[in-house]
Amino acid sequence: DAKTTQPPSMDCAEGRAANLPCNHSTISGNEYVYWYRQIHSQGPQYIIHGLKNNETNEMASLIITEDRKSSTLILPHATLRDTAVYYCIVSPSNTNAGKSTFGDGTTLTVKP
Amino acid sequence: GAVVSQHPSWVICKSGTSVKIECRSLDFQATTMFWYRQFPKQSLMLMATSNEGSKATYEQGVEKDKFLINHASLTLSTLTVTSAHPEDSSFYICSARDSGQGRTEAFFGQGTRLTVV
Repeated sequence: DAKTTQPPSMDCAEGRAANLPCNHSTISGNEYVYWYRQIHSQGPQYIIHGLKNNETNEMASLIITEDRKSSTLILPHATLRDTAVYYCIVSPSNTNAGKSTFGDGTTLTVKP
Repeated sequence: GAVVSQHPSWVICKSGTSVKIECRSLDFQATTMFWYRQFPKQSLMLMATSNEGSKATYEQGVEKDKFLINHASLTLSTLTVTSAHPEDSSFYICSARDSGQGRTEAFFGQGTRLTVV
């Protein structure tokens, strides 16, 4: 699986948009970009994934650059409960999915 | 949505004893489940891939005789930490994918915090 690079930490004001970047310059053509988050002392939670088109769901939006070498997770209106470690992972969408290689992620702190 | 449940959520055991952790997919079948370990302030580290009806595949450096994995049904995988020692104290997490619905994302259990005293 391709390696990802994320900033170690970010702060965001409550109610504002949180934009979390991820670099994945060695991504292969069959690899998807997945985002998960882990709130303290819990298992990771799936957020969103995409291949090359931008995606949006009830939790977040995912913007993938045209060359697919980087992406940004957007939480449109961050709340205190969004404070967590956010992981960006690239992986093929076949049966190997679920076997995820986790980097260090970005610790997002949402402040009042 | 797909739900993965782990039991117990936390356990304290004496050094030298064995501990079994269960991972269940509650509303889907999973031919493959994954076991991770997470030490404080560190990321998740994949330990092994659990395959229903066959032997687990362990990552390099993970002792298969110490971390016994059994995947006897399509909804249950168990991880047994044998002869536990204080250095085995960690947060153990399982995951699975609902491939029956064509979904590619992984769903994780809530984790099991093991403390060996």
